[in-house]
Amino acid sequence: DAKTTQPPSMDCAEGRAANLPCNHSTISGNEYVYWYRQIHSQGPQYIIHGLKNNETNEMASLIITEDRKSSTLILPHATLRDTAVYYCIVRVAHLSGNTPLVFGKGTRLSVIA
Amino acid sequence: NAGVMQNPRHLVRRRGQEARLRCSPMKGHSHVYWYRQLPEEGLKFMVYLQKENIIDESGMPKERFSAEFPKEGPSILRIQQVVRGDSAAYFCASSPEAGAIEQYFGPGTRLTVT
Repeated sequence: DAKTTQPPSMDCAEGRAANLPCNHSTISGNEYVYWYRQIHSQGPQYIIHGLKNNETNEMASLIITEDRKSSTLILPHATLRDTAVYYCIVRVAHLSGNTPLVFGKGTRLSVIA
Repeated sequence: NAGVMQNPRHLVRRRGQEARLRCSPMKGHSHVYWYRQLPEEGLKFMVYLQKENIIDESGMPKERFSAEFPKEGPSILRIQQVVRGDSAAYFCASSPEAGAIEQYFGPGTRLTVT
């Protein structure tokens, strides 16, 4: 079962920042927070990941609270193409063994013109 | 550099027939994962394979489902004697190593059982 809790849906106006929250209160010290998104009918796409520091890449920013029990994915200037289901996943990353992604139901983000 | 390829993209089978789903990982990737997505659900892990080896099949139904990743050629997910409950989108992902940061997903195969 997924170890994360996300709101089922959110709306965001085009051009505004989209802030997607995620609770992961049982996260372990060696687990990373990952975000993937799934645009309708496509395969999931990796967005960003982090352990305890805030992270930023060309797609998004990830803010992780100091106690690591929650995080927020920020899309700074949402466009219509960002409409998708966003999945927050906690996962151990190591170089041996299997670490499958455990998907919950995610947040359906609708970007509105 | 081609991404993960899956074929067919859409597959229709009658109850009792066999379904074969193919996945070609990204070039240089030797780790393949299969996930299933039922309608209006999140993706569920099924099986993890390296070349010629099944590493973890804990998410695979015990009967009718099998997977392989031969030394040459694509990974195959095989479903025998399909039932209506097998109707779903099946996604394949690949990575260059175990536990890699990112898994790269294919476009999926949508199986419909009539």
